[in-house]
Amino acid sequence: GAGVSQSPRYKVAKRGQDVALRCDPISGHVSLFWYQQALGQGPEFLTYFQNEAQLDKSGLPSDRFFAERPEGSVSTLKIQRTQQEDSAVYLCASSLGLAGHSTQYFGPGTRLTVL
Amino acid sequence: GQQVMQIPQYQHVQEGEDFTTYCNSSTTLSNIQWYKQRPGGHPVFLIQLVKSGEVKKQKRLTFQFGEAKKNSSLHITATQTTDVGTYFCAGDNTNAGKSTFGDGTTLTVKP
Repeated sequence: GAGVSQSPRYKVAKRGQDVALRCDPISGHVSLFWYQQALGQGPEFLTYFQNEAQLDKSGLPSDRFFAERPEGSVSTLKIQRTQQEDSAVYLCASSLGLAGHSTQYFGPGTRLTVL
Repeated sequence: GQQVMQIPQYQHVQEGEDFTTYCNSSTTLSNIQWYKQRPGGHPVFLIQLVKSGEVKKQKRLTFQFGEAKKNSSLHITATQTTDVGTYFCAGDNTNAGKSTFGDGTTLTVKP
């Protein structure tokens, strides 16, 4: 594809609901990252995949957050029992090579609002 | 853990004036990247610096990486209205891609 795509672009959830956010990286990109960006702040690292392997999940804020990339392409970030502090923009980025060695291309993000 | 600080938080300039944003890390970095995010948009990669003391230029933009690899700066000469946005630095101290972003400097340019 032309770039990284994410869906939905906007999601409103009631507190306690589960949500699933999808990321379609650029075709052929090995590395995939998820970030959380609160209003007025920089993106914060959540997790990193190299192909289908989740190599780093140290940024996931709690065990309510779960990410997968089962076939090494599309990735899903799932948040269970959403809380108001989960409200943020969730950004996905992909890069052609290994992490730290190639440019990250960001998707447009999913803006999650938890009421 | 690693912290990355950026100053100033906001900068308002008249079109044609210069602009500089500074980035400081609490730890020595393997590399540093700079991104630009337009209002309502997503971060767009500008450049990556790897070597101590490295200086790179992109037209009116000049990027520097400090000798100690703990600080960096982005300087824009003769700002234009198209330069408006938030500029983020992101530092990686592991070379494993887990970058820590600063909170950005938001630039506004008055025509």
